[in-house]
Amino acid sequence: GQNIDQPTEMTATEGAIVQINCTYQTSGFNGLFWYQQHAGEAPTFLSYNVLDGLEEKGRFSSFLSRSKGYSYLLLKELQMKDSASYLCAAMDSNYQLIWGAGTKLIIKP
Amino acid sequence: NAGVTQTPKFRILKIGQSMTLQCAQDMNHNYMYWYRQDPGMGLKLIYYSVGAGITDKGEVPNGYNVSRSTTEDFPLRLELAAPSQTSVYFCASSYDEMNTEAFFGQGTRLTVV
Repeated sequence: GQNIDQPTEMTATEGAIVQINCTYQTSGFNGLFWYQQHAGEAPTFLSYNVLDGLEEKGRFSSFLSRSKGYSYLLLKELQMKDSASYLCAAMDSNYQLIWGAGTKLIIKP
Repeated sequence: NAGVTQTPKFRILKIGQSMTLQCAQDMNHNYMYWYRQDPGMGLKLIYYSVGAGITDKGEVPNGYNVSRSTTEDFPLRLELAAPSQTSVYFCASSYDEMNTEAFFGQGTRLTVV
């Protein structure tokens, strides 16, 4: 079956760095997406990886290892506004997104 | 800059009632999607459309219907509402199915009592 695993909740301190991991099992693979979702709001796109390696975009970076079925989202210089859920989604061979349940990130001052 | 507009934001239905969730996008996107999001679960695809006149079932289509008569609009119809359909519903659109981001509407919180 197809499955995405990511931690349910993480806590970090303002100004620090946090890494949110995601492992996936899909029928075929056409890329890995990360979305941010603030409470009560719609998901918004953060990153897309289809090749192995690290993609950096400002304070956020995303890493992919296709051989390990593994990705992580790295958030640097954490700000209070980064408190949100982070959704990992893998695209399968039919170009359908398989979504994880999300990781709720709590930022403490 | 409307993006994806979804209405209503909140709705309470009685068991057996019907309703239509409206979704419109002004980005000329070909692909449109309906998801439901339940607590502790990932987004589940209900239906999707790759263009006007074309719709297809997703992972959890039972109890729902869709139509896509224009590029802009993709309404979701709930017939005979059941408590299991209590959820947050998101409409989304993307240019194509590949490596492009999806834009989401603000969601509809539906409660069936």
